[in-house]
Amino acid sequence: AQSVTQLDSQVPVFEEAPVELRCNYSSSVSVYLFWYVQYPNQGLQLLLKYLSGSTLVKGINGFEAEFNKSQTSFHLRKPSVHISDTAEYFCAVSGVGSQGNLIFGKGTKLSVKP
Amino acid sequence: EADIYQTPRYLVIGTGKKITLECSQTMGHDKMYWYQQDPGMELHLIHYSYGVNSTEKGDLSSESTVSRIRTEHFPLTLESARPSHTSQYLCASSAMLLAGTDNEQFFGPGTRLTVL
Repeated sequence: AQSVTQLDSQVPVFEEAPVELRCNYSSSVSVYLFWYVQYPNQGLQLLLKYLSGSTLVKGINGFEAEFNKSQTSFHLRKPSVHISDTAEYFCAVSGVGSQGNLIFGKGTKLSVKP
Repeated sequence: EADIYQTPRYLVIGTGKKITLECSQTMGHDKMYWYQQDPGMELHLIHYSYGVNSTEKGDLSSESTVSRIRTEHFPLTLESARPSHTSQYLCASSAMLLAGTDNEQFFGPGTRLTVL
């Protein structure tokens, strides 16, 4: 079985500052990892995913994440945030070779202030 | 355009009413899901389906039921709504897993249900 911990429930940051949203997972098997974004009153949209290969994954809207197997982490980063990045961000994991259901973290609310 | 749709987007109803939340996708995906989402909480999987005539219960026990008569349609029904059912319900779909592929899920916009 897998589990996901998002260490920060809320992250306030000023516009144009860098941001890191933290995600740790646990699993007894190899994993696929995902970051989704949810804007107010909308569904979830995929930002990026790690399947295999390069541990640095680039996604949409200038976000990137690094898979660290030894620390079981998949932190999301952006070097300079915009007001429009204000949203909730969810980290998710599924086990390789499993039936493929995703396990989600509780989410991190990113608030970008002018 | 391939997409996933949910109706209604918002629903306010009284206790004891029967309701059906609609979900349709035009991506030809075999696998579909229903999640329940409360503020500040993770998404909880309540139902999923591998394809036509397949329905499975998820990780979170739910009094709702689902059906899958057509590939593109996965409605969720509550026979008698209660205030404890107040929540946001998200529908998602994904292509059937093949060896070596991942499980990227595509989400609808959600239905926000309030039961008075």
